[in-house]
Amino acid sequence: QSVLTQPPSVSGAPGQRVTISCAGSRSNIGAGYDVHWYQQLVGTAPKLLVYGDTNRPSGVPDRFFGSKSGTSASLAISGLQAEDEADYYCQSYDSSLSVYVFGTGTKVTVL
Amino acid sequence: EVQMVESGGGLAKPGGSLRLSCTVSGLTFSTYSMNWVRQAPGKGLEWVSSISSKSSYRFYADSVKGRFTISRDNFKSSLSLQMNSLRVEDTAVYYCARAHRDGYSDYWGHGTLVTVSS
Repeated sequence: QSVLTQPPSVSGAPGQRVTISCAGSRSNIGAGYDVHWYQQLVGTAPKLLVYGDTNRPSGVPDRFFGSKSGTSASLAISGLQAEDEADYYCQSYDSSLSVYVFGTGTKVTVL
Repeated sequence: EVQMVESGGGLAKPGGSLRLSCTVSGLTFSTYSMNWVRQAPGKGLEWVSSISSKSSYRFYADSVKGRFTISRDNFKSSLSLQMNSLRVEDTAVYYCARAHRDGYSDYWGHGTLVTVSS
């Protein structure tokens, strides 16, 4: 029972744009805590995709775009590619629980 | 190249114990906090525990508090997780990860599978 809620799945055709939402509350995203995003390919460890709401580590394509507003955050993937098929997780800090929390995860399928 | 290699996973009985290790190379281990994160089969990510660079601070998820102990050896660049009183629900792949001060984990190991079953 995560405090960060994501849609279980999103899908899109190659080249399309998809968006993954991460709904939080006033004790986490709404309190201004940073949101980070991870990509997990099947059978592999998570990989940092976006940190500090909008920043991409070196090597991450600019097709991945993070944003935040109010108590929610979003990850947009533009120009969808087959290699983007993976699970995606948001993460933030929750002051009520005093722990870092992950979102419920979203499976992205490329049609 | 940064490498994090976990070991120590395996099969344990409920109530039993296991000790996980994570050996780190390619970065100055002693200057970073470290995390353990787990993932139950077919489930999402769950933060388990964190330790500060000099072991001054240790944090645990409520689900493991009092049963798991995180530790580190900066001379050996290694991180450990002592897991006691294991439960079936502790079954998961356990990842070690470097904890950036801003809260994200930028380097991850490949994970080690812990299975708790009678």
